[in-house]
Amino acid sequence: SQQGEEDPQALSIQEGENATMNCSYKTSINNLQWYRQNSGRGLVHLILIRSNEREKHSGRLRVTLDTSKKSSSLLITASRAADTASYFCTNAGGTSYGKLTFGQGTILTVHP
Amino acid sequence: SAVISQKPSRDICQRGTSLTIQCQVDSQVTMMFWYRQQPGQSLTLIATANQGSEATYESGFVIDKFPISRPNLTFSTLTVSNMSPEDSSIYLCSARLAGGTDTQYFGPGTRLTVL
Repeated sequence: SQQGEEDPQALSIQEGENATMNCSYKTSINNLQWYRQNSGRGLVHLILIRSNEREKHSGRLRVTLDTSKKSSSLLITASRAADTASYFCTNAGGTSYGKLTFGQGTILTVHP
Repeated sequence: SAVISQKPSRDICQRGTSLTIQCQVDSQVTMMFWYRQQPGQSLTLIATANQGSEATYESGFVIDKFPISRPNLTFSTLTVSNMSPEDSSIYLCSARLAGGTDTQYFGPGTRLTVL
């Protein structure tokens, strides 16, 4: 399975704090993608990190990838109430032909 | 990036009826997919929409229930047939863009409620 499994299932923090979410996967990957979903809406693509990259930044987002441990982390710095959402990691590796498999995600709540 | 639109954004339907959801991408794409997200659940892939040919369905999904068309590269439809309350979900289309990128973009989703 290419499924990503996010941890923790839920995270509650105060505005201004950092939020860290982790993702583990089972098979080899070509890349790993992180998405955000605000309540009941579509998925917003946040960042893609390739298997030969170890770290990637985009604004307040920092993603790391450890292929030896088959894990990735998403760090959101200086969180805002608008960051409240579900976050998913997923990947399309090998013969999946672009099909993405999703875990349950991490529900992040940022309190103002 | 790409802009993906879906119509309708939401609908409330009666049991036994069918609903067709449209998905339009504003860029050249290689692959298009349809996902379902049941209440409180994660996304599950329904099928890969193939241009000009039958869609490729995942285990547990069949063409009679979820017929899919993709008449051109940037447009696809998903029909939810003979609906029951268990079909109440958010349906999302996604697309991979042409040009070698692996990034997959999602539409805003269609929230379906079946009474």
